[in-house]
Amino acid sequence: GAVVSQHPSRVICKSGTSVKIECRSLDFQATTMFWYRQFPKQSLMLMATSNEGSKATYEQGVEKDKFLINHASLTLSTLTVTSAHPEDSSFYICSASRQGVNSPLHFGNGTRLTVT
Amino acid sequence: KQEVTQIPAALSVPEGENLVLNCSFTDSAIYNLQWFRQDPGKGLTSLLLIQSSQREQTSGRLNASLDKSSGRSTLYIAASQPGDSATYLCAVRTTSGTYKYIFGTGTRLKVLA
Repeated sequence: GAVVSQHPSRVICKSGTSVKIECRSLDFQATTMFWYRQFPKQSLMLMATSNEGSKATYEQGVEKDKFLINHASLTLSTLTVTSAHPEDSSFYICSASRQGVNSPLHFGNGTRLTVT
Repeated sequence: KQEVTQIPAALSVPEGENLVLNCSFTDSAIYNLQWFRQDPGKGLTSLLLIQSSQREQTSGRLNASLDKSSGRSTLYIAASQPGDSATYLCAVRTTSGTYKYIFGTGTRLKVLA
């Protein structure tokens, strides 16, 4: 199999605080990880692409300083939402794939972030 | 700019029916197309991946086809069951830039018992 574990599954935080979300590939080496955001009843919006050992590539309109992505190893990537505000409340999902453009994409179970 | 569209947006069918979900994309410069299902409040589960050189892939009751030149893919579900109820998304992997996946808008399927 190819299991991607994402934690936490739910988090509630106060406005102004930072939240870290972890994404781990449990049984394979993930050379590339993607972070998505999903609004209710909408499709996935790609936030950034991260490759192990290099800086993440952010999509247009995504603030790098607000959504910090680190891909320090072949099995772990983290997304930190800094100085969170209520409008950052959303469902965040990570995905990972092995090396090779035709390697399937595998997803974590997502993190529901609520900022009060 | 690659755009991926799925039709219909929602579908409700009685159990046992065969059904087809459609996915269309505007740029044929892709490595592959992947179909996923998403249950409410969950991540996505990979169903099938079709490489750009392939025409179709099958897994159990699922069959996916790809016509890259016309920018279309279909997901065929045979003998639908209530457990198939979910949102189905297709995604294409672009050949440019960061080789990212562009997702379709999804089809919400409900199979009635």
